Amino acid sequence: AQSVSQHNHHVILSEAASLELGCNYSYGGTVNLFWYVQYPGQHLQLLLKYFSGDPLVKGIKGFEAEFIKSKFSFNLRKPSVQWSDTAEYFCAVPPRTGNTPLVFGKGTRLSVIA
Amino acid sequence: DTGVSQNPRHKITKRGQNVTFRCDPISEHNRLYWYRQTLGQGPEFLTYFQNEAQLEKSRLLSDRFSAERPKGSFSTLEIQRTEQGDSAMYLCASSMTGIYHEQYFGPGTRLTVT
Repeated sequence: AQSVSQHNHHVILSEAASLELGCNYSYGGTVNLFWYVQYPGQHLQLLLKYFSGDPLVKGIKGFEAEFIKSKFSFNLRKPSVQWSDTAEYFCAVPPRTGNTPLVFGKGTRLSVIA
Repeated sequence: DTGVSQNPRHKITKRGQNVTFRCDPISEHNRLYWYRQTLGQGPEFLTYFQNEAQLEKSRLLSDRFSAERPKGSFSTLEIQRTEQGDSAMYLCASSMTGIYHEQYFGPGTRLTVT
């Protein structure tokens, strides 16, 4: 079965630092990949998604992610984080091609300090 | 459109009692998903519907769990004979049909079984 690994459990960064959060999924084929974010006290919302085409995907709030098929990875990046980026970030992928329920990673908690 | 809503937001119950949660999806969405999230974990898929048909159930969904979406609009998730291990956040999401449509999540119902 498909699984998703997020290697960083908790990341602490200073404002303006660059961010990269790792995400690896377990098997290939045609994959659709998602990053969701959960801000404190709010519900999960989509940050960005990849279906096909350009492997560098841009999302909201200056986030981007790069799909590297050979590495089964979909890492999330942001060049300069802000205090308001403090949140929990989840990578997700459908369990099989064409299936829509999502398999989520365990999440990475990002704390941005002034 | 006010998004996906869930009621109640919090539920405390004693072990052995039955509980029922309700989810109202975004009105034009014909797919509805239930997930469960425990502390330190990402959401785990439980079941999903397309209109009123329950298309898939996870192995996590024991016999004590049942979900319905009788008219293809709102959905209920019932847990019978609750156990302490059922304590979790229960999330509902909805989407349009097809793999290219993102899932919109509700705020969740936090269940505590004492």
